[in-house]
Amino acid sequence: GAVVSQHPSRVICKSGTSVKIECRSLDFQATTMFWYRQFPKKSLMLMATSNEGSKATYEQGVEKDKFLINHASLTLSTLTVTSAHPEDSSFYICSALLRDRERNTIYFGEGSWLTVV
Amino acid sequence: DAKTTQPPSMDCAEGRAANLPCNHSTISGNEYVYWYRQIHSQGPQYIIHGLKNNETNEMASLIITEDRKSSTLILPHATLRDTAVYYCIVRVGGKLIFGQGTELSVKP
Repeated sequence: GAVVSQHPSRVICKSGTSVKIECRSLDFQATTMFWYRQFPKKSLMLMATSNEGSKATYEQGVEKDKFLINHASLTLSTLTVTSAHPEDSSFYICSALLRDRERNTIYFGEGSWLTVV
Repeated sequence: DAKTTQPPSMDCAEGRAANLPCNHSTISGNEYVYWYRQIHSQGPQYIIHGLKNNETNEMASLIITEDRKSSTLILPHATLRDTAVYYCIVRVGGKLIFGQGTELSVKP
């Protein structure tokens, strides 16, 4: 299948600082990418839909000023967690939409572990 | 909210077929059913998806009922590496909304 890569895979940051996570589609162009977060033993929760060249669409209850999403190119979307707090510690996962006529497939990255201390 | 319901857990003997059911009774005519699996601490892995016809690839088969209200993912010869949480998802409005999935344990 197609490859989606995230970086960093693990990051530790101090409270109050900002941290950026990158999501790249390595072998295809993705006009649409998605960001999720996942807590231990829980399912994935969709945070936002990222569209290349336009503003992201956030799910209800997700603070857009805290979780900044930028999708500046067809292969890269970034999630910046601003003014991080310990409760932002989580597993963040991105996915990218591969359009193939009607058979659109969504591929996920490996995920990024964020720990805020 | 997710439009699917799945049993929370299942066991399967190694080498046997694993049949994972999923109910999606409110699915609309143009909504696809997607299956993913997630092994602990990794991103979800795409398995297969379909609209109304049965689908097969190198990983699995997807059987969708004629009324499209339910489907079954079949892993023909389960191995220990297939132990994971399996998610059945109806893609709505272009988005994948995850439910709780089925935790499949493949046992020797």
